[in-house]
Amino acid sequence: RKEVEQDPGPFNVPEGATVAFNCTYSNSASQSFFWYRQDCRKEPKLLMSVYSSGNEDGRFTAQLNRASQYISLLIRDSKLSDSATYLCVVNTNFNKFYFGSGTKLNVKP
Amino acid sequence: DADVTQTPRNRITKTGKRIMLECSQTKGHDRMYWYRQDPGLGLRLIYYSFDVKDINKGEISDGYSVSRQAQAKFSLSLESAIPNQTALYFCATSGGLNTGELFFGEGSRLTVL
Repeated sequence: RKEVEQDPGPFNVPEGATVAFNCTYSNSASQSFFWYRQDCRKEPKLLMSVYSSGNEDGRFTAQLNRASQYISLLIRDSKLSDSATYLCVVNTNFNKFYFGSGTKLNVKP
Repeated sequence: DADVTQTPRNRITKTGKRIMLECSQTKGHDRMYWYRQDPGLGLRLIYYSFDVKDINKGEISDGYSVSRQAQAKFSLSLESAIPNQTALYFCATSGGLNTGELFFGEGSRLTVL
């Protein structure tokens, strides 16, 4: 079983739409959680960390459900510039980072 | 200048050749990682190092070796390249315990013919 699983998509949405991605992880001892964004052929970059209490950064909201071992990312009012692949990342207690295969988002005019 | 620098950025080589990918960082981080990315498979960990004397295998270390020459440098070697090692390789650094962010180099695209 993969450490981190994501729906690969693609999610094709119009500008202004709200879109949500989920991710599940297998190791219940995982300690920290993140969403990274990757543009085509570029390096991944941190979008936001995910905290147990949930956290928001502008149009982006991340939530963690430890009991069910899943993480979510909600993007409101989608922009064309949000088109990218979103990677779910989990950090175990040995400071190893495990990546999901990514969810591709296409925002259309 | 980039904080994490990878060389070469692109390389085409032939089966059986030895290849070295180099990574250097100016962030002062102890933790360094090598990942490979293949379409549909995400990033998979090859090797990681938490300091100069520490080398650890990741998920897919077979066919690869690494050297941590200094805190700032972590190189990945393919002793005898094969076509299924064609991939995009990323070096990354991390600042330490409970520090979540990985900082990536721009990637090295390797093609093995």
